[in-house]
Parts: sequence; structure tokens; C-alpha cells
Amino acid sequence: QSVLTQPPSVSGAPGQRVTISCTGSSSNIGAGYDVHWYQQLPGTAPKLLIYGNSNRPSGVPDRFSGSKSGTSASLAITGLQAEDEADYYCQSYDSSLSTVFGGGTKLTVL
Amino acid sequence: QVQLVQSGAEVKKPGASVKVSCKASGYTFTSYYMHWVRQAPGQGLEWMGIINPSGGSTSYAQKFQGRVTMTRDTSTSTVYMELSSLRSEDTAVYYCAPTLRVIDGVGEFDPWGQGTLVTVSS
Repeated sequence: QSVLTQPPSVSGAPGQRVTISCTGSSSNIGAGYDVHWYQQLPGTAPKLLIYGNSNRPSGVPDRFSGSKSGTSASLAITGLQAEDEADYYCQSYDSSLSTVFGGGTKLTVL
Repeated sequence: QVQLVQSGAEVKKPGASVKVSCKASGYTFTSYYMHWVRQAPGQGLEWMGIINPSGGSTSYAQKFQGRVTMTRDTSTSTVYMELSSLRSEDTAVYYCAPTLRVIDGVGEFDPWGQGTLVTVSS
């Protein structure tokens, strides 16, 4: 049972827009801690996609965007491409002095 | 560029211990905290703990308290994660990752090591 809740799976056709939610509580996201997002392709290490709620590292396409409100955060992917098919994880910090992750969301490009 | 190189795959018997290394390069090793995260087969990411390479202080996830020890060697810019009393549920890929944009360890993990597969089997 992950501290941050993500939908197990989402899907979309090429070119469409999809969003992945990440729901926390008043002890983590709601307490003001930043949310970060990672993309994990099969058999590889996670890669940073969004940091500080809405910032993209150099090299990440602007098709990826992040937002945060209250006790939740969201990752949006526009102009869906086949190469976006991967697992996505959100991460934040909890007042219990630990880093917490979401359970992960598998994105399928139809 | 920042690079993290981890030790190779391990196969251990239940009850044994495993020590995984993570050698950092491309940044000032003692200036930024390092985290360990694991991922069981087909499962999500699980935070294990953090080490401050400067003074060696650590903080572990409650689940691993008493079984995990994180250490560092500043002469080789290497951090280590040792997990004891292994059981089959510890079979996973273990990753190291620093938080390079902040100095207190509370931030995003980037980059990640390539991962080390630890298999626990009799």
C-alpha cells in the first residue's frame, strides 16, 4: 500500500492527451512538499521527468507537464507518442521523515 | 557528467547478507545526500533510506530499521548499502540516486544508478 495513490493504468491513442494523478495527504503533498515524476521504460532505471511540481529537466520534451494543488498532483502528457509507453511514478516527502512514492501507473499507447 | 556505477548482480541464500556499492563521479561527492531505492519484480519503487556522504549520518525507512546499514568511503566516492537477514521478499533491483539540487536530501532523485539485481533463493 503506497503512501501516494496513482491509478494502476491509463491509456490513450497517439496524439491524444492523458493525465496521471497522484493523491497524497496533509502530511506529504498537502504539507507543501514538492512532487517529482519519473518515467521508467522496461528494464531500465527510472528517469527524472518533472521536478519541483512543474519543472522539466533539460532534454525532457514540453509535451510533459506537471501541476500540484492541495493534496494532489498531476502529470499531463500531450501529443502522445508510442515511445511514451512506460511506467510513471510520483515522489514526494512525508512529515514522518521519509521519501514516499506512488504505486506507479502503466501508460499504454493504443 | 554525473555518473553512478553500481556493483554487479548477486545471488544470496535466505538469512545471508548482501552489500551493494555505488560509485559516484562528476560532482562533489560529500556535498549531496545519496538515497537507496529498491524495486521488486513487477512492483513499484520503495525508498529504503538516505546517507549524508559528508559525515556519514543516515536515516532509514522504518520497514528496514535494524536490517539495513548505509556507509560511505569518501576516498573513493562510494556509498554502500548492506541488507542482512535476507528473505525471498528482498529479491529486487536496488538503485542509488543523489539529490543534487538541494543540500538537505529532500528533493528529486537524479540521476539513478543502473541498478543491482539481488536474488534471494535457497
